[in-house]
Amino acid sequence: AQTVTQSQPEMSVQEAETVTLSCTYDTSESNYYLFWYKQPPSRQMILVIRQEAYKQQNATENRFSVNFQKAAKSFSLKISDSQLGDTAMYFCALGGGSNYKLTFGKGTLLTVNP
Amino acid sequence: DAGVTQSPTHLIKTRGQHVTLRCSPISGHKSVSWYQQVLGQGPQFIFQYYEKEERGRGNFPDRFSARQFPNYSSELNVNALLLGDSALYLCASSPRASSYNEQFFGPGTRLTVL
Repeated sequence: AQTVTQSQPEMSVQEAETVTLSCTYDTSESNYYLFWYKQPPSRQMILVIRQEAYKQQNATENRFSVNFQKAAKSFSLKISDSQLGDTAMYFCALGGGSNYKLTFGKGTLLTVNP
Repeated sequence: DAGVTQSPTHLIKTRGQHVTLRCSPISGHKSVSWYQQVLGQGPQFIFQYYEKEERGRGNFPDRFSARQFPNYSSELNVNALLLGDSALYLCASSPRASSYNEQFFGPGTRLTVL
């Protein structure tokens, strides 16, 4: 079975500062993908960043980057220069292997304060 | 291009009733997945369909069923509704049947069971 754990239900950060959201996972698959999705209040869920497990280099998308520690099964999201529009629920998700589903964590509610 | 669309936006039903939720994927996407998101939780996988065939099923009772049509749109049906079925139902589309690809989510249907 695949599991995803997000241990921070809520976090807050001041505008322009950096924040890191934590995620740990467990899977028996050798090939898998990890995702961070963002769900703004009353808006659609969108992909923030994706990491392929076989790639050692950490993924980066503009102000968003990940710290992928495969041995520790850890996948954290760093948001630099936080903006008010980053306020949202952030979900870590795991996909791959022979099944077709994404397994999501419970989410972290991030609030960016002016 | 239009994103994933879902209808209806909101729905109120009573226990024991039946409900049908609808989803239209992004043009060119052949895979549709359904997720249930209970308030305060991450989405839980219900089904994935690809080319009109079920490719994956989550841990949901037989009261939940789905189908995909030749135009790749999809319906999720829930029979004998329970109070616990109250949730946001998300549809996601992707070009192929896998959990490696980015999934594009719709705005969801908010189902309330009284």
